Amino acid sequence: GIQVEQSPPDLILQEGANSTLRCNFSDSVNNLQWFHQNPWGQLINLFYIPSGTKQNGRLSATTVATERYSLLYISSSQTTDSGVYFCAVGTILTGGGNKLTFGTGTQLKVEL
Amino acid sequence: NAGVTQTPKFRVLKTGQSMTLLCAQDMNHEYMYWYRQDPGMGLRLIHYSVGEGTTAKGEVPDGYNVSRLKKQNFLLGLESAAPSQTSVYFCASSRDLLGYEQYFGPGTRLTVT
Repeated sequence: GIQVEQSPPDLILQEGANSTLRCNFSDSVNNLQWFHQNPWGQLINLFYIPSGTKQNGRLSATTVATERYSLLYISSSQTTDSGVYFCAVGTILTGGGNKLTFGTGTQLKVEL
Repeated sequence: NAGVTQTPKFRVLKTGQSMTLLCAQDMNHEYMYWYRQDPGMGLRLIHYSVGEGTTAKGEVPDGYNVSRLKKQNFLLGLESAAPSQTSVYFCASSRDLLGYEQYFGPGTRLTVT
């Protein structure tokens, strides 16, 4: 099956710093999502981005599907950004569904 | 508009007991999914449904059964729980196959002793 690798696995930032998280995937995909799992375990949709660039406030994402990678940019980080960031890529299932394959995540901690 | 909700939030079972997890969505989505998340890992697909009355196996279906009698509900059953099923279970839904993102519920934390 498709492999999804995220880097770095862990990241500690001072509040106000910027960061870039990377997601590499091993095959063509139909879609790609970025999630933030907060310390309470809730998965929050950040971006649906099969290709191109999107921005939402301090966050932005870029996917280059032809080169099989996606980047998530966090600017002016805040303590509330702490948690795990997951990249998930979608492939079509035999039964017609769309399976998301998740990477192992980037654990981010933002300190004061 | 509550989105995707899951019941219960927490549960402790003894080995061999059975239970049903309920997922409900109010977005009129056709597709629904059950995933499990184990420590330090991303989510893995258990079963999914592409519409009312349909179900199909995902990546890790053994030990689970599902039903989708109503479009808005997707049930996940454990007939005889095992310690290996200790996990956090997430339900998700999406509008259609392509071009639409999946939205996730808050999760159910299940411990099997």
